[in-house]
Amino acid sequence: EIVMTQSPATLSVSPGERATLSCRASQSVSSNLAWYQQKPGQAPRLLIYGASTRATGIPARFSGSGSGTEFTLTISSLQSEDFAVYYCEQYNDWPPWTFGQGTKVEIK
Amino acid sequence: QVQLQESGPGLVKPSGTLSLTCAVSGVSISSGYWWSWVRQPPGKGLEWIGEIYHSGSTHYNPSLKSRVTISADKSKNQFSLKVNSVTAADTAVYYCARVVGGLHHSWGQGTLVTVSS
Repeated sequence: EIVMTQSPATLSVSPGERATLSCRASQSVSSNLAWYQQKPGQAPRLLIYGASTRATGIPARFSGSGSGTEFTLTISSLQSEDFAVYYCEQYNDWPPWTFGQGTKVEIK
Repeated sequence: QVQLQESGPGLVKPSGTLSLTCAVSGVSISSGYWWSWVRQPPGKGLEWIGEIYHSGSTHYNPSLKSRVTISADKSKNQFSLKVNSVTAADTAVYYCARVVGGLHHSWGQGTLVTVSS
């Protein structure tokens, strides 16, 4: 099983600032890495797939990068609606598909 | 647009069986996708449980495989989850989702299942 590790657990950011979230895989997942956003009481929403491709309707302020074992999600200028928990998921090797433990982006 | 809706008992007794159904609308479950279950214990992260293909093929998380069964009913356009011998550790919000190439593209709203006597 591929273990996904996200850091930090919590990120405190002011609106308008940049947020950088990290995800590390225990072995290479190539570019088969996705990012999801989850707001309280809601299901996760797909943001990024293929490590860097935005899903339909996702604003350009969200960007992803990386390959192999190291990945980054960047939110260039945080809006109020971006404060949420973000999960990475590897879909290179299954079963099982595996998620990181999440990074909570909170208002500073 | 595809929509998924979970349903089932919100309370299950320890050692009992958790049973949930996911009703799919907007697309046929026979149309070539994988259909997945994911759970999230309160305040914790996401855990993939397993998935089923329209042909009936299944994959399960090895950590749960001995207790989990996923099945599909094409006539009702829905798929189901059963988890046997539940304990408090199975208390979670359970989501169903459509999987495209490993990506969980579309999700249900989730349903909370509590294991308690």
